Amino acid sequence: DAGVIQSPRHEVTEMGQEVTLRCKPISGHNSLFWYRQTMMRGLELLIYFNNNVPIDDSGMPEDRFSAKMPNASFSTLKIQPSEPRDSAVYFCASSLSSSGVGYFGPGTRLTVL
Amino acid sequence: QKEVEQNSGPLSVPEGAIASLNCTYSDRGSQSFFWYRQYSGKSPELIMSIYSNGDKEDGRFTAQLNKASQYVSLLIRDSQPSDSATYLCAVNKQGGSYIPTFGRGTSLIVHP
Repeated sequence: DAGVIQSPRHEVTEMGQEVTLRCKPISGHNSLFWYRQTMMRGLELLIYFNNNVPIDDSGMPEDRFSAKMPNASFSTLKIQPSEPRDSAVYFCASSLSSSGVGYFGPGTRLTVL
Repeated sequence: QKEVEQNSGPLSVPEGAIASLNCTYSDRGSQSFFWYRQYSGKSPELIMSIYSNGDKEDGRFTAQLNKASQYVSLLIRDSQPSDSATYLCAVNKQGGSYIPTFGRGTSLIVHP
């Protein structure tokens, strides 16, 4: 079975540009999480969707960040405009909400110059 | 107090030894506990889950949970160099929505 799929795997962009990260969760999973990982702050939860509905977005750092989940098989995380401090690895994870077990995608390494 | 705390390490153990990794959490109502392994440059991978007090064994791994003391630990027996990685403790908040909170992780180095 395919795991969580993320694209792109690497993204290098310049400050001020729009960045869109994509995620396809495991089929049948109804919970989706976006995380950001840096050396300084570790693994931070940005937003959590359950049945395509955003449940907790308290971790979204500011209005420059937005996330959508238009259907059960696709989610996006957008940063507009991007800043150098957004440089990090962004992970998407999915789970069955009844299990609480999250399976992570390979991550997108974002570098903002 | 951080919600989930781990010693950042590194914890260095010789090959064949037992590695002991510890994690404490602040939410007394937490109900689900997980250990993830993360190799450098890779994504976290679930290796153990535990839901009730006591020990749970899976191969060379044993997870231990003590809810009264609010700690969970991971023991790795017969440590191998391939076990060298960062180990992340995750705790799910109580109440319906399973939102895991992660610790910063402990770096484990197993030297030959």
